[in-house]
Amino acid sequence: DIQMTQSPSSVSASVGDRVTITCRASQGISSWLAWYQQKPGKAPKLLIYAASSLQSGVPSRFSGSGSGTDFTLTISSLQPEDFATYYCQQANSFPNTFGQGTKVEIK
Amino acid sequence: EVQLVESGGGLVQPGGSLRLSCAASGFTFSSYWMSWVRQAPGKGLEWVANIKQDGSEKYYVDSVKGRFTISRDNAKNSLYLQMNSLRAEDTAVYYCARDRNDILTGYLDYWGQGTLVTVSS
Repeated sequence: DIQMTQSPSSVSASVGDRVTITCRASQGISSWLAWYQQKPGKAPKLLIYAASSLQSGVPSRFSGSGSGTDFTLTISSLQPEDFATYYCQQANSFPNTFGQGTKVEIK
Repeated sequence: EVQLVESGGGLVQPGGSLRLSCAASGFTFSSYWMSWVRQAPGKGLEWVANIKQDGSEKYYVDSVKGRFTISRDNAKNSLYLQMNSLRAEDTAVYYCARDRNDILTGYLDYWGQGTLVTVSS
């Protein structure tokens, strides 16, 4: 199975900050990567697919980059509604594994 | 509006069985791959299984192979997860989710609200 490792596990940031989360795959996955946002008690929400494509309806302050084994999710200017946990997911091969999550907290 | 509504969760003893259902509406259910994803209390997401539009292909995470069976009824717009030989480590909220494309991508664009399965004596 492909292991997905996110860093950091948590980050404290202020409204307006630029936040970057990284995700590393244990083997190459081309661009088969998605990012999800999850708020407490809610289902995950797809933000980015194919490493860098913005899902419909997602604000443009979210962006994704990378290919192969190293990927990045960037929030260009953190908004109050962005405080949540973020997960990467590889879709290159089964099982489609998730990273352990990165919690974005209010500083 | 796309809606996915899970049901069937509850408390079950170790070794027991449970069948989860997911009722889909607002889209052509028979055109999409569907998945189950679970989340243990306070933990991260774990992909469990998925199924092709016509049910001819199914994939599972190793930890549930031989115990769980994913199925679907396109006439009823419903997805199922039959869970047998349940273990404490299967305790989780189970989500059903839709692939964002009619061709398998693995990217899940719509999710249900989840149903809680608790395995305990």
